[in-house]
Amino acid sequence: AQKVTQAQTEISVVEKEDVTLDCVYETRDTTYYLFWYKQPPSGELVFLIRRNSFDEQNEISGRYSWNFQKSTSSFNFTITASQVVDSAVYFCALSKGSSNTGKLIFGQGTTLQVKP
Amino acid sequence: AAGVIQSPRHLIKEKRETATLKCYPIPRHDTVYWYQQGPGQDPQFLISFYEKMQSDKGSIPDRFSAQQFSDYHSELNMSSLELGDSALYFCASSWRTSGAYNEQFFGPGTRLTVL
Repeated sequence: AQKVTQAQTEISVVEKEDVTLDCVYETRDTTYYLFWYKQPPSGELVFLIRRNSFDEQNEISGRYSWNFQKSTSSFNFTITASQVVDSAVYFCALSKGSSNTGKLIFGQGTTLQVKP
Repeated sequence: AAGVIQSPRHLIKEKRETATLKCYPIPRHDTVYWYQQGPGQDPQFLISFYEKMQSDKGSIPDRFSAQQFSDYHSELNMSSLELGDSALYFCASSWRTSGAYNEQFFGPGTRLTVL
C-alpha cells in the first residue's frame, strides 16, 4: 500500500524565518514519483516540484529547496526567508512508476502561516 | 500559458438533484484526472482517463460517472446528490512521456454545495 504522511498539521513562523515541511512516504514500488503542491487561500492547487525515485539529487529553486532521502523515505521541503505570500496549505504527494496510471496519493497537508 | 479550465466554478444544488462538472485539459495533454477535496481534507482521487478510455478508478460513488470526449474534455456527472457530496472538485491534466506520466496541472476547481 502507498501512503504519504505529513506529521505537521500547522506551522506558524514570522516573516524571514526559514521553515521546513516534512513528508514521509511508504511504497513497495522501486519506481515512483514524489510531488509537492501548494494550495493558497484562493483554493487552487499549484504544482511545485516532481521527483523520480532514481534521482536523489537535492533541488533548489529560488527560496525553495527539496531534500529527497530514500534511506529515510522522506521528501522534505524548505522555504528560506519565508514571506507572507508563502502562507498556504502544502501537500506532498506520491504516484507509482511502472504500471502507473499517474493518480496522486496526497498527504494530509501542512498549513503554513507566515506572520508579518 | 493555457491552463486547465473547469466549469462551473461554483454550483449549488438540492439533495437528490444531479450535477455535471466540466473540465477542459491543457492542449496536447492526453490524460485527465478528477479529485474530490472535502473541507479541511486532502484531495482524493476519483477517476482518470487516458486517450478517452478510463484508466483508473478510485473511491468514486456509483452515483457518479465520468467520461472523456473526442476533444479530450471530460465531464463528471453526479446524481442523487447527498449533503456529503459538498466539496471542491478538481480536474487535473497531464501527458505521458515514454510510458511515464508527468506532473499534473490542476484546474481552479468547482465548489459544489448541496443543500
